[in-house]
Amino acid sequence: AQSVTQPDARVTVSEGASLQLRCKYSYSATPYLFWYVQYPRQGLQLLLKYYSGDPVVQGVNSFEAEFSKSNSSFHLQKASVHWSDSAVYFCALSPNSNNRIFFGDGTQLVVKP
Amino acid sequence: DAGVTQTPRHEVAEKGQTIILKCEPVSGHNDLFWYRQTKIQGLELLSYFRSKSLMEDGGAFKDRFKAEMLNSSFSTLKIQPTEPKDSAVYLCASSRDNTGQLYFGEGSKLTVL
Repeated sequence: AQSVTQPDARVTVSEGASLQLRCKYSYSATPYLFWYVQYPRQGLQLLLKYYSGDPVVQGVNSFEAEFSKSNSSFHLQKASVHWSDSAVYFCALSPNSNNRIFFGDGTQLVVKP
Repeated sequence: DAGVTQTPRHEVAEKGQTIILKCEPVSGHNDLFWYRQTKIQGLELLSYFRSKSLMEDGGAFKDRFKAEMLNSSFSTLKIQPTEPKDSAVYLCASSRDNTGQLYFGEGSKLTVL
């Protein structure tokens, strides 16, 4: 079975500070991994994805994520957050063989001015 | 290219009514997903179509929820009869390939009184 765990329901940071949102996954092999963002009253949008290769992947808006097979993790990072980054962030995985995607519960990011 | 289009954006129904939500996927996408999103349960998969064939029907949602894909560019989700616990945002997403990258609509917010 596969699952995604986002241990932090809500994270608050000050504008300009660095950010890490945590994601742990459970799957027997290396899955495809994703981070999606949902702004208020909108659908989810893809931030970045990892399929294989370099464990650090770059995404839109200066976000990046690092895959760790040993830790079964795929944490999202940003060096300096902006108030407009306030949103809900979802980590997700897809088994390599099909298009079924499993989402974590999401982390609400609040950026204080 | 146009993104995923969902209508209506907002729907208010009385308990026991039938409601139909509509979705137009991105042109050329073969996979279509319906999700329900609530604060408590997060994202729950209702239905998954591949090339108009129903691949997954979300188990627990079978009795009152019915998704159909009449052609490759249009899908409906019918809830009959509605109950207050169905109040949620219903998201439609489509995908072109087998890699789990989904494109989401803005969602239909349903309120059942």
